[in-house]
Amino acid sequence: AQSVTQLGSHVSVSEGALVLLRCNYSSSVPPYLFWYVQYPNQGLQLLLKYTSAATLVKGINGFEAEFKKSETSFHLTKPSAHMSDAAEYFCAVTGYGGSQGNLIFGKGTKLSVKP
Amino acid sequence: DADVTQTPRNRITKTGKRIMLECSQTKGHDRMYWYRQDPGLGLRLIYYSFDVKDINKGEISDGYSVSRQAQAKFSLSLESAIPNQTALYFCATRDRDTGELFFGEGSRLTVL
Repeated sequence: AQSVTQLGSHVSVSEGALVLLRCNYSSSVPPYLFWYVQYPNQGLQLLLKYTSAATLVKGINGFEAEFKKSETSFHLTKPSAHMSDAAEYFCAVTGYGGSQGNLIFGKGTKLSVKP
Repeated sequence: DADVTQTPRNRITKTGKRIMLECSQTKGHDRMYWYRQDPGLGLRLIYYSFDVKDINKGEISDGYSVSRQAQAKFSLSLESAIPNQTALYFCATRDRDTGELFFGEGSRLTVL
């Protein structure tokens, strides 16, 4: 069965520092992978997605993620954190390969950004 | 206006009451979903629907029911609310080509 593990329920960085949020997945078929962001009191919005094309995926707000099949990972990075990046981030994998399977979400990582 | 609209945004109710959360969308997607979010647990799928006549249970459907009244409307009901159904509930639609989910802003339900 497909699953997602996000390492670290809370991550704190200083403004201007590198942001690294970790996501490992388990899938028996080629996965579609997603990162969503949730700002306080809002719904989730898509940051970026991997759909079997380029392994390095660029998203909104300067975020990017690299699909590494050998490590079953899809870590989210941003070179320089901004205060506005403080939010909760969710990694998700499709229930089975392609765009048709239901998304299975990780438990989320809350990112705090210190001035 | 939001593409996915949920009502009510906040609701406080008592144990045993029947509650309905409503969702409407203007994205024209045929796939709609209800998720529940609890702190530290992420999002868990309650029910999903591929069209008006195709409704499916998710991983935590016990205690919930749904109705797909039209392509644009998908409602979630708690027949007899209990305190452990206190949570943030999200409706979402899905683009069948890209697989992307589009979320509403959530309905916060408190059961006393």
